[in-house]
Amino acid sequence: GNSVTQMEGPVTLSEEAFLTINCTYTATGYPSLFWYVQYPGEGLQLLLKATKADDKGSNKGFEATYRKETTSFHLEKGSVQVSDSAVYFCALSESGYNKLIFGAGTRLAVHP
Amino acid sequence: GAVVSQHPSWVICKSGTSVKIECRSLDFQATTMFWYRQFPKQSLMLMATSNEGSKATYEQGVEKDKFLINHASLTLSTLTVTSAHPEDSSFYICSAPGPRREQYFGPGTRLTVT
Repeated sequence: GNSVTQMEGPVTLSEEAFLTINCTYTATGYPSLFWYVQYPGEGLQLLLKATKADDKGSNKGFEATYRKETTSFHLEKGSVQVSDSAVYFCALSESGYNKLIFGAGTRLAVHP
Repeated sequence: GAVVSQHPSWVICKSGTSVKIECRSLDFQATTMFWYRQFPKQSLMLMATSNEGSKATYEQGVEKDKFLINHASLTLSTLTVTSAHPEDSSFYICSAPGPRREQYFGPGTRLTVT
């Protein structure tokens, strides 16, 4: 079946450090891939998405590239801020944007 | 932007009782809503798809008589955990597809069964 694996947290970084959160997936077809972010006390929000191989999703300085050959969708940001502290979820869907399958989530803590 | 709310945000109930969780789309209509369950430090697991005006579709392994879903209007879906037991304690999250072809998530409801 379909599944998503992402690196365990927590990830602790200093402000302005480079961020990478690894995400790999298993799917029978050609899924769409997503990164969601959950700030404390709030619902999950879509951070970025990519719908086909080699697409790059980007938003708020975060980027992720859909790599079919390595079945990966790693999240990167060149310079993190304290306000980026949150839990990040990698997800896939084989039906557009419905019925999402999530990874376990990675907690990011950024210190001044 | 599109907002999904859940009520209550936290509920404690005694074993054997039932508890209802509401999911509302505040500024858009949703013919479909999704209910997820999240255990500590684990993934969100899709439980069921709630369909307005018809029966919910449950994922494999989810007891439909245990988790009753009602989608009575275009802005409200409810999840009732019947005869709750401590193993039902979890974080329940709903979502709805809204504008810009995105899923919008509620903030979640933490259920503790004592």
